[in-house]
Amino acid sequence: EDQVTQSPEALRLQEGESSSLNCSYTVSGLRGLFWYRQDPGKGPEFLFTLYSAGEEKEKERLKATLTKKESFLHITAPKPEDSATYLCAVQASDNFNKFYFGSGTKLNVKP
Amino acid sequence: SQTIHQWPATLVQPVGSPLSLECTVEGTSNPNLYWYRQAAGRGLQLLFYSIGIGQISSEVPQNLSASRPQDRQFILSSKKLLLSDSGFYLCAVRWETQYFGPGTRLLVL
Repeated sequence: EDQVTQSPEALRLQEGESSSLNCSYTVSGLRGLFWYRQDPGKGPEFLFTLYSAGEEKEKERLKATLTKKESFLHITAPKPEDSATYLCAVQASDNFNKFYFGSGTKLNVKP
Repeated sequence: SQTIHQWPATLVQPVGSPLSLECTVEGTSNPNLYWYRQAAGRGLQLLFYSIGIGQISSEVPQNLSASRPQDRQFILSSKKLLLSDSGFYLCAVRWETQYFGPGTRLLVL
């Protein structure tokens, strides 16, 4: 069964304290892995797409990496405005319309 | 660039009442459209997707239905709401990746 698991469920960091979020997945065939940021009461905001193991993408303090079984979202020197829920999703290669989402990691960065 | 509109933003409905949520997309033609539901503290659950007018695929058998009467309009409906239908409903469009609308918060009492 295709599924996505994110850990930890919640993460509290001090401003400037770097850390990583994990997304592990099992899917029959992976077309792409996606990271989103979601603020309370809003729709998810697209961050990154990763297509193959070894690929990395960066945006400001965020860096996403991909292996054959998991992805990491590294947050370097986070700021309070990075506080949000981060969602991971995988797109199956046998049906481009099927996206499987994890439950998310709720990040709280304290000043 | 694409813009996704969802209406209404919030909705409080009694159990057993009907439902109609609307999603419209600007800035693209013949988009692939999606309805998701997000329960509190949980991930997004794909409900329906559509690759064209009148073409609907259902992912989860339930109390809801979807329709696509126009190229850039996607509607989520129910004839009789259940308590379990409460949640945050998101419309999305796929263009390489998926982009989401602002969502509709539905509370069934």
